[in-house]
Amino acid sequence: KQEVTQIPAALSVPEGENLVLNCSFTDSAIYNLQWFRQDPGKGLTSLLLIQSSQREQTSGRLNASLDKSSGRSTLYIAASQPGDSATYLCAVIANYKLSFGAGTTVTVRA
Amino acid sequence: NAGVTQTPKFQVLKTGQSMTLQCAQDMNHNSMYWYRQDPGMGLRLIYYSASEGTTDKGEVPNGYNVSRLNKREFSLRLESAAPSQTSVYFCASSAGTSRNTGELFFGEGSRLTVL
Repeated sequence: KQEVTQIPAALSVPEGENLVLNCSFTDSAIYNLQWFRQDPGKGLTSLLLIQSSQREQTSGRLNASLDKSSGRSTLYIAASQPGDSATYLCAVIANYKLSFGAGTTVTVRA
Repeated sequence: NAGVTQTPKFQVLKTGQSMTLQCAQDMNHNSMYWYRQDPGMGLRLIYYSASEGTTDKGEVPNGYNVSRLNKREFSLRLESAAPSQTSVYFCASSAGTSRNTGELFFGEGSRLTVL
């Protein structure tokens, strides 16, 4: 069974600092890995999708890396802003099933 | 851009009552999913539909039924609600048709309380 772990569970940083969010998974036989953002009481917003053949994906201030062999992905958010405060979830995709991590709750202090 | 639309957004039920959560997507996606999200448990797959006319069980299907009405719509039915089904339910869709789902897009969620 695929286990997805996100560390840390919570993170508080001052505005302007770079964020580093970690995601690890136990079974490397994945097709894709997807990062989401969830605001309180809201749905999940897709941030980045990394195909299993890719090493990284970038969108604006966001950069996600994927190392399948070691079962790790990292989401980098450059120059954090208070609007980046949210819970960030990673999910690995294999055989129609997304396995989600529990998320990292980020607070960016103004 | 509507994307994935769920109704209702909030619902309170008494134990034993039935109800249907509706989901529709306007992205011409082949696959649709129902998840539930509970504190400390994360998101868990209830049922999915890889294409119109097919449905399959996920991790936690007991107590639920689904219908893929057409390519756009995928409904989730609770026949006899139980307090353990109090949760936030999310519908999602993706373009994938094979084992690779592709990027998933989620609705805003339906918050269900069973008393």
